[in-house]
Amino acid sequence: AQRVTQPEKLLSVFKGAPVELKCNYSYSGSPELFWYVQYSRQRLQLLLRHISRESIKGFTADLNKGETSFHLKKPFAQEEDSAMYYCALEGTYKYIFGTGTRLKVLA
Amino acid sequence: NAGVTQTPKFQVLKTGQSMTLQCAQDMNHEYMSWYRQDPGMGLRLIHYSVGAGITDQGEVPNGYNVSRSTTEDFPLRLLSAAPSQTSVYFCASSYGTGERTEAFFGQGTRLTVV
Repeated sequence: AQRVTQPEKLLSVFKGAPVELKCNYSYSGSPELFWYVQYSRQRLQLLLRHISRESIKGFTADLNKGETSFHLKKPFAQEEDSAMYYCALEGTYKYIFGTGTRLKVLA
Repeated sequence: NAGVTQTPKFQVLKTGQSMTLQCAQDMNHEYMSWYRQDPGMGLRLIHYSVGAGITDQGEVPNGYNVSRSTTEDFPLRLLSAAPSQTSVYFCASSYGTGERTEAFFGQGTRLTVV
């Protein structure tokens, strides 16, 4: 079965602290994984995709096929990072989303 | 540059009423989908479409109907609203599949069923 698991509903960190939002997936085949973000009062938008190996707004995510994980990391959190983060799996014409993690960055 | 447009933004329904949530995209995307967002449950797929005339069920399709007569439009119909359908509904469109795909979302419709 195709599934995305985000174990943390809420993650609170202080400004300047490192951040890691966890994501594990279940998928038979080569997965296409993404992180989407929803800032307050804004629509959901793509943050990054695993294939690009890019860093967006200081965030990176590495696909670990052995551990079936795609954790999102940032070395130094900023207050503007506070948002809802969703890990997603692209599974043949549709997306499977995790339950989301709300990140709160405290001043 | 409209992207994905959903109407209405807010709606209150009485139990048993029916209504249609509208979704339109102007990016000529093949794939469109509907999700509901509930606290603690994330985004759950209701129905999706891979092109005009082709739709399929997602994870939580019961109580909802869809059709795709054009590439641009993908309306979601609630047949007989129930309080359990109180949620925020998101429409999304995407192009291609695989490594270069990206989903674009509407701003959401907040539905309350009383």
